[in-house]
Amino acid sequence: DTGVSQNPRHKITKRGQNVTFRCDPISEHNRLYWYRQTLGQGPEFLTYFQNEAQLEKSRLLSDRFSAERPKGSFSTLEIQRTEQGDSAMYLCASSTDRPGTEAFFGQGTRLTVV
Amino acid sequence: AQTVTQSQPEMSVQEAETVTLSCTYDTSESDYYLFWYKQPPSRQMILVIRQEAYKQQNATENRFSVNFQKAAKSFSLKISDSQLGDAAMYFCAYRLPGGATNKLIFGTGTLLAVQP
Repeated sequence: DTGVSQNPRHKITKRGQNVTFRCDPISEHNRLYWYRQTLGQGPEFLTYFQNEAQLEKSRLLSDRFSAERPKGSFSTLEIQRTEQGDSAMYLCASSTDRPGTEAFFGQGTRLTVV
Repeated sequence: AQTVTQSQPEMSVQEAETVTLSCTYDTSESDYYLFWYKQPPSRQMILVIRQEAYKQQNATENRFSVNFQKAAKSFSLKISDSQLGDAAMYFCAYRLPGGATNKLIFGTGTLLAVQP
């Protein structure tokens, strides 16, 4: 297993366009998380899945954002009608559900909205 | 709400020397986990060290150790014998144990430079 994989690594889009990012977690991990990281800040939690169920969503996840994990494996994060404020690094992480387990992070997708 | 504060935006250390990164947090919970993550430039975040709040003994991982002061809500990271490869952004993070949420709450990070 090569760890958490995110695609694409970089995305430049025009304001108003829709974008979709993909995350492939470590295969035996049943929990998957999305975070957003802006320049000079720590990652901020967006949403979390246990298997295919989306169990928690942050207030940061406006109605333009939607995340899915249809078969409990890979996940997609879609942003509709992108705005310049959406420019950020989007990080995916995965973990097991054992207490105290660490989250393993992907390299992220850097989104630039022009 | 839980918060994590890192008051040192940047730190610098000479190779082979020791440096301490500070972190404070605010919570009303008695049981939780604390983490230090390292984020090298253009690479993914990796776990450096973790501490369980109910354990009084400070965690140690090779050259990395923590000073966990629960009453003061302080969780500093000490890096001994600093190496060039230690240069990175370091994030302190907090998490509640188990339950329906497993999210991490991060500080704003400390950028560590290691001078040869």
